[in-house]
Amino acid sequence: GESVGLHLPTLSVQEGDNSIINCAYSNSASDYFIWYKQESGKGPQFIIDIRSNMDKRQGQRVTVLLNKTVKHLSLQIAATQPGDSAVYFCAESFVSGTYKYIFGTGTRLKVLA
Amino acid sequence: DTAVSQTPKYLVTQMGNDKSIKCEQNLGHDTMYWYKQDSKKFLKIMFSYNNKELIINETVPNRFSPKSPDKAHLNLHINSLELGDSAVYFCASSQATSHRGEQYFGPGTRLTVT
Repeated sequence: GESVGLHLPTLSVQEGDNSIINCAYSNSASDYFIWYKQESGKGPQFIIDIRSNMDKRQGQRVTVLLNKTVKHLSLQIAATQPGDSAVYFCAESFVSGTYKYIFGTGTRLKVLA
Repeated sequence: DTAVSQTPKYLVTQMGNDKSIKCEQNLGHDTMYWYKQDSKKFLKIMFSYNNKELIINETVPNRFSPKSPDKAHLNLHINSLELGDSAVYFCASSQATSHRGEQYFGPGTRLTVT
């Protein structure tokens, strides 16, 4: 059953409000970052990506901010909707011999009606 | 039109058995991946593979082996299954060969080892 993931950090947001999901990444050599959304029982779904030569990138209702100084990434969702309820993962990529790809631990977003 | 498909969706088996999970993508992508998601929702890449190169995560036991009969398929074989192998396994694909760019994930295979 879906008892897994209950320990995940949870962000509860009122419908219509903006959501900010944060992620601290580990490797200062990371030069590419992605946010994924995972709905219950489904695979992760790409939301938006950003390269390290940028500090901000906007998509449809989403904005990713990158602060390389403190190794921090955030995902902002404007006008949060019930369909945004999911677990959100950040991922970082860097080259160490080969390409490395590391996911963060995930944040559960709950949208309150 | 499923972009990335996996079979089976659920797999229950006993310790010591050998099993396979199949993955197919119809996106024409060059690179395919296998991920493991544990009970705490932690996602970890296991393999990435394109026509030229297999990249193995060094922490993956050699009981796990990817097999690619062609560019559209990457199957995962697991020998001598252990309790700790219980997880959800996701296949993914991308056009890029460098882990950059969008990856498309399959629906997952929930493996339960008893």
